Amino acid sequence: QSALTQPASVSGSPGQSITISCSGSSSDVGGYNYVSWYQQHPGKAPKLMIYDVSNRPSGVSNRFSGSKSGNTASLTISGLQAEDEADYYCATYTGSVITVFGGGTKLTVL
Amino acid sequence: QVQLVQSGAEVTKPGASVKISCKASGYTFIDYAIHWVRQAPGQRLEWMGWINPGNGNTKYSQSFQGRIIFTRDTSASTAYMDLSSLISEDSAVYYCARVRDRSRVNTSPFDCWGQGTLVTVSS
Repeated sequence: QSALTQPASVSGSPGQSITISCSGSSSDVGGYNYVSWYQQHPGKAPKLMIYDVSNRPSGVSNRFSGSKSGNTASLTISGLQAEDEADYYCATYTGSVITVFGGGTKLTVL
Repeated sequence: QVQLVQSGAEVTKPGASVKISCKASGYTFIDYAIHWVRQAPGQRLEWMGWINPGNGNTKYSQSFQGRIIFTRDTSASTAYMDLSSLISEDSAVYYCARVRDRSRVNTSPFDCWGQGTLVTVSS
């Protein structure tokens, strides 16, 4: 099972908005509304930011939002802040393999 | 609060086995599946499988089939991952993670993660 495809890096200035894409296929991203997004700071465990495509867990800033169109999911961070600088991973249920992660995207806040 | 605490770092040799523990607190252990995920240095997250602590059922990624075993001790609220026939490529940080939705063993996201256990495989 191949990993989902994410851009290796994205960047933005404080206050701006950025979007990270997560491309898959009809067997994973496109086939289920189970896409989730995780934030990971260096040396730390991942943190759930978005689940089931567009839902935010309690305590996660509403600056984070998720969406999906066809076989591509997206994470948008608005009002970029320095503490948003981290690696971001998408993940989804795939049926046979159960869960697959994206390759990860390094977000740099300029 | 909900918490998963993992055992400490391990250094082991090729061909050996490693067993990592994941102790749960702050919730009813048997009610939520535990998944295992690993991350090699500088690499992406890799899903390994899950265990349902309530009944002991397991599901393993085909990438590890045959050399991975998940177990649990309900009296200790602890899940275990045993990985055998280690090779250098198994050097990674191993995480346990709890599902957010107790009714969705396979499809739920992970809302609580352990701190990670570094496993180094070296001769």
